[in-house]
Amino acid sequence: GAVVSQHPSRVICKSGTSVKIECRSLDFQATTMFWYRQFPKQSLMLMATSNEGSKATYEQGVEKDKFLINHASLTLSTLTVTSAHPEDSSFYICSARGVDREGSYNSPLHFGNGTRLTVT
Amino acid sequence: GNSVTQMEGPVTLSEEAFLTINCTYTATGYPSLFWYVQYPGEGLQLLLKATKADDKGSNKGFEATYRKETTSFHLEKGSVQVSDSAVYFCALKTSYDKVIFGPGTSLSVIP
Repeated sequence: GAVVSQHPSRVICKSGTSVKIECRSLDFQATTMFWYRQFPKQSLMLMATSNEGSKATYEQGVEKDKFLINHASLTLSTLTVTSAHPEDSSFYICSARGVDREGSYNSPLHFGNGTRLTVT
Repeated sequence: GNSVTQMEGPVTLSEEAFLTINCTYTATGYPSLFWYVQYPGEGLQLLLKATKADDKGSNKGFEATYRKETTSFHLEKGSVQVSDSAVYFCALKTSYDKVIFGPGTSLSVIP
C-alpha cells in the first residue's frame, strides 16, 4: 500500500532557530500534500495544503511566513518552522494523495508518522 | 461548514467489553467518512472507511456504518483487547480532499 515517510520523527531545537521537516511519498506520486499540527491531547488541525509546483494554501490563522512549505517534486514536501519559539512545540503530521504506478488515484489520504518538535 | 463531533473521553473498558464511540458530522455534499487510530507516540493509521450512505466499514473487529439520516458514523467493537488502547479519531473528507478530524476519543482497555 501507499507509504508516506516523515523525517525526522523527533527534533529538539533552540528558540530562534529554524527546523525543516520532510514528507516523502515512497511508492506513489503525491500531487497534493497536507500538513497538520496536533497539540497535546487535541485533534489534528489542518495548517496548509500544497500542490506540486505551486504555492501552498494556508488555513486561516496560520502564518505563512513562519511555516514555509515547499512541494518542489512529486515525492517530497517540506515544512520549515522559521525562528521557532516554545509555543511552536507540537506534533506535526503530513499526509499525501496522488497517483500510484498503476495510475490509480489513491484515497483515502495516507499519513506520515509525525514529527515531535520541541523548542527550548 | 464541515465538522465532526465525537463523544468525549477518556473511555476506560475492561478487556472483552463492548465498545461504542459515537461520531456525528456536519457536511455539505456527500463526504467520505473514516476512523483513524493513533497509538501512543505514533502517527495516524486508517482503521476503516465508508464512502457512501449505508456503507459499512470494518477492520480488525471494528466496524462503523455510514448513516446519512442521522449523520452518524459510530465505531463499534464487540470485544476489546488491551492492544486496542489508543486514541480514535472520526474524520470526514471533503470533495477537495481536506480531512476534517473530530477531537479524538482516548480508549484505555484494562486487563
